[in-house]
Amino acid sequence: GAVVSQHPSWVICKSGTSVKIECRSLDFQATTMFWYRQFPKQSLMLMATSNEGSKATYEQGVEKDKFLINHASLTLSTLTVTSAHPEDSSFYICSALVSGLAVQETQYFGPGTRLLVL
Amino acid sequence: GDSVTQMEGPVTLSEEAFLTINCTYTATGYPSLFWYVQYPGEGLQLLLKATKADDKGSNKGFEATYRKETTSFHLEKGSVQVSDSAVYFCALNTGRRALTFGSGTRLQVQP
Repeated sequence: GAVVSQHPSWVICKSGTSVKIECRSLDFQATTMFWYRQFPKQSLMLMATSNEGSKATYEQGVEKDKFLINHASLTLSTLTVTSAHPEDSSFYICSALVSGLAVQETQYFGPGTRLLVL
Repeated sequence: GDSVTQMEGPVTLSEEAFLTINCTYTATGYPSLFWYVQYPGEGLQLLLKATKADDKGSNKGFEATYRKETTSFHLEKGSVQVSDSAVYFCALNTGRRALTFGSGTRLQVQP
């Protein structure tokens, strides 16, 4: 089946630094990727929708200047957490949408990236 | 807005026991409903789905029926195995393509 990878799988950084997380579709092209965030024992919350070649669409309450999303190719989307602070510590998960007929669209998820900001 | 509520875990069962994980939802329009499973150290995998009322999704012995009248999509399995130990997420999609997830239920199956 379709495979989505994320890198790194976990990262620890100092407060004030920036962290880039990559999401790759390994064996298919994805015009749309989603970025989710998950706090411990809580739901996955959609942060933004990333479309190849255009600006990402952010959910209400998500700071676009803090969470920079770039989807420059059909197999790669990146999420950069700028000037990270401890409250940004979380589990970040991406998914990639296999294009096709709307009713048959399936999302494939990456394994997630755990970010800890000290 | 859309939301999904699922039972809190962890759910601890002995091997071969019957499993039910409850899931209810609120949504505008007619959502598609999904169960995803996350095994330790892995990404979310689609377990099963149903796209309209009374549809039954099934896979690997798991089943869930789309109940519009009770807005539910409970996950069931007749005989669980140790290998079923994982976190299970109920989710819905109302056509905007992103998923709305429940909080996840951890299942622990003991031999």
